Amino acid sequence: NAGVTQTPKFRILKIGQSMTLQCAQDMNHNYMYWYRQDPGMGLKLIYYSVGAGITDKGEVPNGYNVSRSTTEDFPLRLELAAPSQTSVYFCASSPRLAGGQGDTQYFGPGTRLTVL
Amino acid sequence: AQTVTQSQPEMSVQEAETVTLSCTYDTSESDYYLFWYKQPPSRQMILVIRQEAYKQQNATENRFSVNFQKAAKSFSLKISDSQLGDAAMYFCAYSSSTYSGGGADGLTFGKGTHLIIQP
Repeated sequence: NAGVTQTPKFRILKIGQSMTLQCAQDMNHNYMYWYRQDPGMGLKLIYYSVGAGITDKGEVPNGYNVSRSTTEDFPLRLELAAPSQTSVYFCASSPRLAGGQGDTQYFGPGTRLTVL
Repeated sequence: AQTVTQSQPEMSVQEAETVTLSCTYDTSESDYYLFWYKQPPSRQMILVIRQEAYKQQNATENRFSVNFQKAAKSFSLKISDSQLGDAAMYFCAYSSSTYSGGGADGLTFGKGTHLIIQP
């Protein structure tokens, strides 16, 4: 299993450009998440999905959009990049089964995004 | 909303010694999960240890153990026999319980503690 994969690893954007951060998991997990990590801070939740076709906002959703057409993929879209979106972005997935290890989240390697 | 506080921005320990990282949290829920994640310079988030709030027994994973004090809302991580490979950022995180139907909205993280291992 590859686990959770993210592409690209690094990206530099100009202000106002758009891009999509890709996230895929091969563990058949229903729950997927997008977090951002600013320097010196912990991760903050941007969006999450409880299954294909269902998404919801997290703590910091402004400036982002998501979609979930399949169980495996959960892309994050930045429509008009701003310097405040410079961050490291992590995707995670979880089986969310009650009990056992079902609540544990498994993280991708992250994407470092710089907006200039 | 839940909050997680890590009051030690940085800790330093000699190799082979023991170090304890502190974490406190605030919640009105009675059932939840707590985690410690390790983030080395590679940025990968690695699960170190997990504690279920309804279990009184402290979780252990090899050299890593926790001291979970539910009444005090405290969840510290003890690393025994510290190794150079333990050097990393350590994040404490909280999740609502799956049993109560909550927690779908992800983990709440502290700001992290930077652990330095002195050879």
